[in-house]
Amino acid sequence: KNQVEQSPQSLIILEGKNCTLQCNYTVSPFSNLRWYKQDTGRGPVSLTIMTFSENTKSNGRYTATLDADTKQSSLHITASQLSDSASYICVVSAGITGGGNKLTFGTGTQLKVEL
Amino acid sequence: GAGVSQSPSNKVTEKGKDVELRCDPISGHTALYWYRQSLGQGLEFLIYFQGNSAPDKSGLPSDRFSAERTGGSVSTLTIQRTQQEDSAVYLCASSLVTGGTLGGANVLTFGAGSRLTVL
Repeated sequence: KNQVEQSPQSLIILEGKNCTLQCNYTVSPFSNLRWYKQDTGRGPVSLTIMTFSENTKSNGRYTATLDADTKQSSLHITASQLSDSASYICVVSAGITGGGNKLTFGTGTQLKVEL
Repeated sequence: GAGVSQSPSNKVTEKGKDVELRCDPISGHTALYWYRQSLGQGLEFLIYFQGNSAPDKSGLPSDRFSAERTGGSVSTLTIQRTQQEDSAVYLCASSLVTGGTLGGANVLTFGAGSRLTVL
């Protein structure tokens, strides 16, 4: 069964600090891994998308890593801001014929950035 | 439109009533997805439409759930005889389908969701 597990479940950090969120998955056949940010009351917004051959990808203060061997990904947030407070969702795609995606979503890490 | 639009944003209904949730995807996006997000749970896949192909309904939890996509654009998710466990946020997403081979790296654009509360 395809599964995506995220840790920690929730995290509180002070503004300006860095943090790292973890994602472990058992999805086959692996196609790509995405990190989404979901603000309260909003739909998820894509931060990064990584394929099998990519080890790291950055989007501003967000840096995602992928180790396809150990089936682990991390999302590192640098110099956190209050606006980073959100749920961060790891999504792993299994390739299916026809170009569509079978996505498995993690339950998310709820990040709160405080003054 | 500029983004994925969903309506209503909030719906409160009584147990046993039928509800319809609407999704207007980004113009030109051929793929449309419905997900359900319950409190403290990950997004649960419901149904996927891609062009004129038969939809993937494998995620629909029961025969009370159905969805249509008319003219390859707007989609309606219908829940009949609602139950309290149907209470959740129903999210719609759309994407371009690229590659045409296994696992296109499509970026999904989500709507803000429709929050359904069944009393």
